[in-house]
Amino acid sequence: AQSVTQLDSQVPVFEEAPVELRCNYSSSVSVYLFWYVQYPNQGLQLLLKYLSGSTLVESINGFEAEFNKSQTSFHLRKPSVHISDTAEYFCAVSEPGGYQKVTFGTGTKLQVIP
Amino acid sequence: EPEVTQTPSHQVTQMGQEVILRCVPISNHLYFYWYRQILGQKVEFLVSFYNNEISEKSEIFDDQFSVERPDGSNFTLKIRSTKLEDSAMYFCASSAGGGVVNTEAFFGQGTRLTVV
Repeated sequence: AQSVTQLDSQVPVFEEAPVELRCNYSSSVSVYLFWYVQYPNQGLQLLLKYLSGSTLVESINGFEAEFNKSQTSFHLRKPSVHISDTAEYFCAVSEPGGYQKVTFGTGTKLQVIP
Repeated sequence: EPEVTQTPSHQVTQMGQEVILRCVPISNHLYFYWYRQILGQKVEFLVSFYNNEISEKSEIFDDQFSVERPDGSNFTLKIRSTKLEDSAMYFCASSAGGGVVNTEAFFGQGTRLTVV
């Protein structure tokens, strides 16, 4: 069985400061890894994903995450946050293949302070 | 870009009533899923559906829940007799299935169910 651990339930950070949201996973097989963002009272938006290839993946709004197999991690980073980044971020894992049951972490609330 | 659509976006129902949540998965996808997110909590897997039958279900998916693909496009989640604790956001998802590689599940925007 797969699991995802997000140790930080809340991360406050000042605007324009860097941020790292931590994610560790547990799986006995290969994995696909995802970060989803959820704004208040809204649905899930896929922020970025690792399926194969380069271990460093980027989103269009400046976030990046690096798949580290030896540390079983997929931490999310942004060098300079904006107020609009305030949201909850969920790390998630699935197994490669057509069947895509996704296991989510408990989420990290990013609070950007002006 | 193809997307998963869910209706309604919000539903309020009285305790004990039956409710049906509807989803239109991406047209050529073969696997369909329902997830639940209770307010302030993580997203939890409920059930997956393939080839017109349930392929996997979680402990949450008890006899009060059922899923159906009534036609070639819709995928529904029925809760027979709603309880207050069924209040949550429900997400539908679909994935390609088969021999497709390097592809993920696509999620709908969710239906917020409020049981009063």
